[in-house]
Amino acid sequence: SQKIEQNSEALNIQEGKTATLTCNYTNYSPAYLQWYRQDPGRGPVFLLLIRENEKEKRKERLKVTFDTTLKQSLFHITASQPADSATYLCAPDTGGFKTIFGAGTRLFVKA
Amino acid sequence: KAGVTQTPRYLIKTRGQQVTLSCSPISGHRSVSWYQQTPGQGLQFLFEYFSETQRNKGNFPGRFSGRQFSNSRSEMNVSTLELGDSALYLCASSDEETQYFGPGTRLLVL
Repeated sequence: SQKIEQNSEALNIQEGKTATLTCNYTNYSPAYLQWYRQDPGRGPVFLLLIRENEKEKRKERLKVTFDTTLKQSLFHITASQPADSATYLCAPDTGGFKTIFGAGTRLFVKA
Repeated sequence: KAGVTQTPRYLIKTRGQQVTLSCSPISGHRSVSWYQQTPGQGLQFLFEYFSETQRNKGNFPGRFSGRQFSNSRSEMNVSTLELGDSALYLCASSDEETQYFGPGTRLLVL
């Protein structure tokens, strides 16, 4: 069955450093992959979408890579700030009129 | 454009009761999805509607149902509530790729 794996443990980093989050998927070939941010008690917010023919995508301090051979996406936040502390979810396209999200990685950025 | 709205925001029910939650999507979006989120399970897909038709559903019992109206507004219903149904219920409207979430309805079943 289709499976999405994200770092299950929280990621703690110091302000100013680069945070790198991993999303691995198995048993399917998504045409695109999305990353969302979720703050406690709120709905996820869309951040970036990367397509299978794109190796890398950037938006301000965010960078996403998509390796269809490794079946992996990496999400980077450069020059991280305490305000970046949140849970980050990846969602590879399933092609079946449903969006399935990974369990998410909690990021804590310390000042 | 106004975002996705959900009502009510908070709800307390007792076991055995039923509940109906409402979702108004972003204007122009015809796809609406529902998710259940609990601390231990993450975001679990319930079902997706497009132009009043359910196109996909997740692995939830038949007590969970939904519908979509001609104006794309959607409702989900949970009958015979159980304690384990306590969760944050999120609705999202979509432009076919990206999901735009509402603030959610927090349901507590006592």
